[in-house]
Amino acid sequence: ETGVTQSPTHLIKTRGQQVTLRCSSQSGHNTVSWYQQALGQGPQFIFQYYREEENGRGNFPPRFSGLQFPNYSSELNVNALELDDSALYLCASSLVGRFDGQFFGPGTRLTVL
Amino acid sequence: DQQVKQNSPSLSVQEGRISILNCDYTNSMFDYFLWYKKYPAEGPTFLISISSIKDKNEDGRFTVFLNKSAKHLSLHIVPSQPGDSAVYFCAAELFSGGYNKLIFGAGTRLAVHP
Repeated sequence: ETGVTQSPTHLIKTRGQQVTLRCSSQSGHNTVSWYQQALGQGPQFIFQYYREEENGRGNFPPRFSGLQFPNYSSELNVNALELDDSALYLCASSLVGRFDGQFFGPGTRLTVL
Repeated sequence: DQQVKQNSPSLSVQEGRISILNCDYTNSMFDYFLWYKKYPAEGPTFLISISSIKDKNEDGRFTVFLNKSAKHLSLHIVPSQPGDSAVYFCAAELFSGGYNKLIFGAGTRLAVHP
């Protein structure tokens, strides 16, 4: 049983650029959620995908978008990067409706200069 | 609007003693609460949960207590071990807009020293 993996581990971008972060879900999980964790804060829910469709969205602007693929891997895309987008981005996979069975990846640390 | 609050950024406890981590919430619609543990360079790991219809749930050294009238929950670790040193997040599940989402507190860093 493989865990949740994310790539890249670290990333440095400049303001205005675009970034794509990737996540490979736990085997058998059909739901993926993305979170942003700013320094000193808890993870904040960005959105969730179930069966390749966005299933829910937190308080994030449309320049945050995502994809889920048939193999349940996922991408988070952020356009027009801002300095405040600097954070740890976590993805978590689960079976739908099972937060206690939600497994997090190690995260991607994004720095926007 | 911070709906889940962990007011203690850090806690230091001696090995073998009890660790008590606290969490307060404001939304009475929350119906499920979870605790996660996070080590550096790793993602959060689920630790224990409690439904809003219960007031206590126990799993080995970990016990979570829920006081709905006070909108307060706490995580007790007995006895504390050095390997418990990590950041602990309290999270609440909210069903809104047709889906469930988790709302996290800011975390409490626990240090267990020998």
